[in-house]
Amino acid sequence: EPEVTQTPSHQVTQMGQEVILRCVPISNHLYFYWYRQILGQKVEFLVSFYNNEISEKSEIFDDQFSVERPDGSNFTLKIRSTKLEDSAMYFCASSTPGARTGNTIYFGEGSWLTVV
Amino acid sequence: RKEVEQDPGPFNVPEGATVAFNCTYSNSASQSFFWYRQDCRKEPKLLMSVYSSGNEDGRFTAQLNRASQYISLLIRDSKLSDSATYLCVVNIRPSGNTPLVFGKGTRLSVIA
Repeated sequence: EPEVTQTPSHQVTQMGQEVILRCVPISNHLYFYWYRQILGQKVEFLVSFYNNEISEKSEIFDDQFSVERPDGSNFTLKIRSTKLEDSAMYFCASSTPGARTGNTIYFGEGSWLTVV
Repeated sequence: RKEVEQDPGPFNVPEGATVAFNCTYSNSASQSFFWYRQDCRKEPKLLMSVYSSGNEDGRFTAQLNRASQYISLLIRDSKLSDSATYLCVVNIRPSGNTPLVFGKGTRLSVIA
């Protein structure tokens, strides 16, 4: 079964440092997403990306966050200056175009970020 | 009011039991509904979509009541492997590829 892969699986960083989380979406998917889940909380949408630009973003996705598709396969989330409250599991996801989200959206295994 | 609300749980049930989870959503314009399963510190995985007519997949039955803005999931003959957190998920727009709105989840523990 095709899968979304994420690296690193776990990263510990000091407050104020920049972090880049990497994702390889499923190869024929065109829509890409980042969600996050703070420990004990619900999964929250951060941003969606299509055709090399952000198509939608939530209030959480402020100026310290950015996304990029630097080449044909990777999709990255950058947090410019991490805060303690950025500690969470970050899930990358991808989906097929035109499909009802949820039927064909696939999540990666997540990158657990700990800010100290 | 929270967008998607679920039973707080946890539900601790013996093997073989039938258990039901409920979920309500606040946006009456919501278009698509799903149940996801999430194991501890793992990614959400789609369990099943929920249709207006109700749908069944093996031991799992999902139902939707649009008038009451209510979704349910019934698990029959619970297995130990069903232990997980069950997430009620809603898509508020008609087109695909739009953000999913997750409930906080209900934790299920099936005990031998």
